[in-house]
Amino acid sequence: DAGVIQSPRHEVTEMGQEVTLRCKPISGHNSLFWYRQTMMRGLELLIYFNNNVPIDDSGMPEDRFSAKMPNASFSTLKIQPSEPRDSAVYFCASTLYRDRGEKLFFGSGTQLSVL
Amino acid sequence: SQQGEEDPQALSIQEGENATMNCSYKTSINNLQWYRQNSGRGLVHLILIRSNEREKHSGRLRVTLDTSKKSSSLLITASRAADTASYFCATEGGTYKYIFGTGTRLKVLA
Repeated sequence: DAGVIQSPRHEVTEMGQEVTLRCKPISGHNSLFWYRQTMMRGLELLIYFNNNVPIDDSGMPEDRFSAKMPNASFSTLKIQPSEPRDSAVYFCASTLYRDRGEKLFFGSGTQLSVL
Repeated sequence: SQQGEEDPQALSIQEGENATMNCSYKTSINNLQWYRQNSGRGLVHLILIRSNEREKHSGRLRVTLDTSKKSSSLLITASRAADTASYFCATEGGTYKYIFGTGTRLKVLA
């Protein structure tokens, strides 16, 4: 099993540019989560999907952030336009959620730097 | 908003000693989990304890859960330098939502 795969591993962009982060969850998992990690705010849950449907996006900081899950094996997190305060490590995680929670499997993260 | 708060924020111990980290949370949960994060890496699941369990063991790890106090503790026995990492608790309340705490940075000195 390849685990959760995120790309790119590092992204450096200039303020105002569009950024797209990608995630491939573990095959067979039905829930996918996007987290953002910073020193100041820790691990923030941005949005999560169950069976490709967004369940709760209340953690998305602004309208500049959007996420999609067009199928069970792919999700994107887009920031448009990007700002320096968006600089963080973005993690994707997946799990097979049944009637109760199970453990999350995390990707290696995308280190985003917005200059 | 953060569900879990870990304490201490940082802990430094000698190899061979035990390390104890605590987690407090605010609302009812289905389960509580502990994760480990090495510097620059993703989080790795360590152990899960369900709301109807009080204690669980896995190797050198021991987790307790007190739902009346809304708190949990993680004990790592006979620590090793390789245990140096950040440790996070995460709570899940039955709505697919996993909320992480602020983390404890553990440093084990050889």
